Amino acid sequence: EIVMKQSPATLSVSPGERATLSCRASQSVTSNLAWYQQIPGQPPRLLIYGASTRATDIPARFSASGSGTEFTLTISSLQSEDFAVYFCQQYTNWPLTFGGGTKVEIK
Amino acid sequence: QVQLVQSGPEVKKPGASLKVSCKASNYTFTNFGIIWVRQAPGQGLEWMGWISPYNGNTNYAQNFQGRVTMTTDTSTTTAFMELRGLRSDDSAVYYCARGLKLRASWYYYWGQGTLVTVSS
Repeated sequence: EIVMKQSPATLSVSPGERATLSCRASQSVTSNLAWYQQIPGQPPRLLIYGASTRATDIPARFSASGSGTEFTLTISSLQSEDFAVYFCQQYTNWPLTFGGGTKVEIK
Repeated sequence: QVQLVQSGPEVKKPGASLKVSCKASNYTFTNFGIIWVRQAPGQGLEWMGWISPYNGNTNYAQNFQGRVTMTTDTSTTTAFMELRGLRSDDSAVYYCARGLKLRASWYYYWGQGTLVTVSS
């Protein structure tokens, strides 16, 4: 099983600032990596797939990079609606595995 | 627009069985796989398994092997997840999501979630 680890667990950021989230895989997932945003009480929302491709209707302030085992999600200028929990997920192999999440909170 | 509509909240006693449905609409059901993911209160996302409505193939997470069965009914475009031998730590929100037909993928469309409470 590929273990996904996210850091930090919590990120405190002021509105308008930049947020950088990390995700590390225990073995290479090539570019088979997705990022999700989850607001409490809602299902996950796909932000990124293929490690760097924005999903439909995702604003350009969300960008992502990486391949192999190291990945980054960047939110360039945090808006109020961006304060949420973010998960990475690998889909190279079954079982699908998710990172533990990074909570982005208002500083 | 693609929709996945799940069945309503459930309260179950320990040892009971659970069956959650996920009604798909506005796309060709057999062209996409369905996964089930659960989320315990305040916790992360846990993948439970995958089913391909195209051929009925399944792939279950090891943690649920022997306790979970995923099925689909192509006539009603509905996917089902049955979990047996419920325990208190099975209390969670259960989600279905749509992905690729025959392999693991990313997941754009999700059901609204089904809250399951297991309590004596």
